Amino acid sequence: DSGVTQTPKHLITATGQRVTLRCSPRSGDLSVYWYQQSLDQGLQFLIHYYNGEERAKGNILERFSAQQFPDLHSELNLSSLELGDSALYFCASRRDDWGYTFGSGTRLTVV
Amino acid sequence: GENVEQHPSTLSVQEGDSAVIKCTYSDSASNYFPWYKQELGKRPQLIIDIRSNVGEKKDQRIAVTLNKTAKHFSLHITETQPEDSAVYFCAATLSGNTPLVFGKGTRLSVIA
Repeated sequence: DSGVTQTPKHLITATGQRVTLRCSPRSGDLSVYWYQQSLDQGLQFLIHYYNGEERAKGNILERFSAQQFPDLHSELNLSSLELGDSALYFCASRRDDWGYTFGSGTRLTVV
Repeated sequence: GENVEQHPSTLSVQEGDSAVIKCTYSDSASNYFPWYKQELGKRPQLIIDIRSNVGEKKDQRIAVTLNKTAKHFSLHITETQPEDSAVYFCAATLSGNTPLVFGKGTRLSVIA
């Protein structure tokens, strides 16, 4: 157990629907990063939150949004889902040391 | 922004041989370079990292080298074992709080 908790582990939904992915960082970590990993693809940065504030945006679609709550957990909202959104979504947290700790990911399948 | 290129995309070695994976980065200001191992269906896990004030770092069978002038860094795995089979990702970042930029990964297969 890495200490970073992601739920749900698997999600199957239909095109056009909306889903919410949840991430709880390691205790004491203020930063949460979201990444998308498509089949045989690398890790694409989506968005970064630090202590409740958005700090950086990467290749995140307008249909996607995120937030970080006062208890530091974060949610990634994906709407108007398309087949191409099927992927593994990872969150990671980081403390003062620079390496990430990843959660186990949420596998999203859009049918 | 930062761009990280990783080669090769696939690598097969015989058990006991060495494996080398190379990455180049574009932003000369980047100063932190971690390597992650991802087994099938699992999360990426940090295996070793290096900062720009160091040229080489070793941890048992794993070593990383950094050439700041050429803007490239490499992962070296010696005496490979079947359990080393996985996808390896390099990454780079400018500072402790900016997002890591990952290479596209190298699928390493160690043949027994």
